[in-house]
Amino acid sequence: NAGVTQTPKFRVLKTGQSMTLLCAQDMNHEYMYWYRQDPGMGLRLIHYSVGEGTTAKGEVPDGYNVSRLKKQNFLLGLESAAPSQTSVYFCASSYTGLNTEAFFGQGTRLTVV
Amino acid sequence: AQSVTQLDSHVSVSEGTPVLLRCNYSSSYSPSLFWYVQHPNKGLQLLLKYTSAATLVKGINGFEAEFKKSETSFHLTKPSAHMSDAAEYFCVVSERRGGYNKLIFGAGTRLAVHP
Repeated sequence: NAGVTQTPKFRVLKTGQSMTLLCAQDMNHEYMYWYRQDPGMGLRLIHYSVGEGTTAKGEVPDGYNVSRLKKQNFLLGLESAAPSQTSVYFCASSYTGLNTEAFFGQGTRLTVV
Repeated sequence: AQSVTQLDSHVSVSEGTPVLLRCNYSSSYSPSLFWYVQHPNKGLQLLLKYTSAATLVKGINGFEAEFKKSETSFHLTKPSAHMSDAAEYFCVVSERRGGYNKLIFGAGTRLAVHP
């Protein structure tokens, strides 16, 4: 099994450009998450989804949109990139039980210039 | 609301010596607790998890953690550090919120291992 796969792994954007990050999981997980990781701040939740067709805002949702049209895929979109969105983005998925761990992708390093 | 504090942002040890990474949490009820490891330019990998079955939890690569409710701590230890243990470690609390499992991350502890 591949687990959680993110594409692309690296990207450089100019301010104002748009892009979509793709996350795919093959574990039939209901929950999926997008996090951003910045130095000294751990991981912060951007958006999450509790099932196909549902999405919700996390801690830092501004400037991002998401969609979950298929259970295995969770897309993160930046409509108009800003330098403050330079970060490493991680997708994760999990089963629904409280005690279950999340499985993470390898990350996408995004630089906005 | 729950929170997680990792008491050291950096820890440096010599190879073969013990490792201690400290984590304190705040919780109004019995939490689920996790330790994840992140090697450079990699994703996060689960080391171990506490789910109330036993207070001493054993994980992968010789790591273990002890849940101490009275001290609200979940410190990560390893008897003997290996060079390959150099990485960033995250203590994580899981709480049920709004119909999903919210993971609350500590800020991370970077472990350096010297020959």
